[in-house]
Amino acid sequence: DAGITQSPRYKITETGRQVTLMCHQTWSHSYMFWYRQDLGHGLRLIYYSAAADITDKGEVPDGYVVSRSKTENFPLTLESATRSQTSVYFCASSGLAGAPSSYEQYFGPGTRLTVT
Amino acid sequence: KQEVTQIPAALSVPEGENLVLNCSFTDSAIYNLQWFRQDPGKGLTSLLLIQSSQREQTSGRLNASLDKSSGRSTLYIAASQPGDSATYLCAVEYGNKLVFGAGTILRVKS
Repeated sequence: DAGITQSPRYKITETGRQVTLMCHQTWSHSYMFWYRQDLGHGLRLIYYSAAADITDKGEVPDGYVVSRSKTENFPLTLESATRSQTSVYFCASSGLAGAPSSYEQYFGPGTRLTVT
Repeated sequence: KQEVTQIPAALSVPEGENLVLNCSFTDSAIYNLQWFRQDPGKGLTSLLLIQSSQREQTSGRLNASLDKSSGRSTLYIAASQPGDSATYLCAVEYGNKLVFGAGTILRVKS
């Protein structure tokens, strides 16, 4: 089905382990985003990408790595997971290649990550 | 710092009431403003997007307004229904980045 998907939906990992969250969209949207949602902080932008091979930091990038070798995929890697990275992670996409911003962002269903 | 504030934090109304959710933002140099709905344990669903040059957008029972000069937006829900119960998030776009408010938790009682 068309849309934006995330995997896994739930993940439990231990402190210090590397974990990768996957995001895939079928709309050929140029922009993709990663957010985390925490009680008391709302949704905060981690990283975003304007196109394949173009990424930029958001508000809370420390401890995360992203890549975008293909337009449709935007994986988020926690290099060495910490308890403070326990959160719900949302991927989003928007826009058409070459278009300016001001397009709606469409969100995936989220990944609930617990770091023990 | 670009901040988005939503008032009230929570709202409980009887079914059938019209209601208004408020959103304010500190930096008026916005690209657009988007209202989302989030159900418990779920992702975000886009409700309405207002471009910076627009004053309002309507979709069914929902109407969103934007006043850039005063840094405010309102989401008006007409004839509320129990199915409208959710958290409503306001997000302001600055240069491809969305800044979110903390949300308003709405409960519509039958």
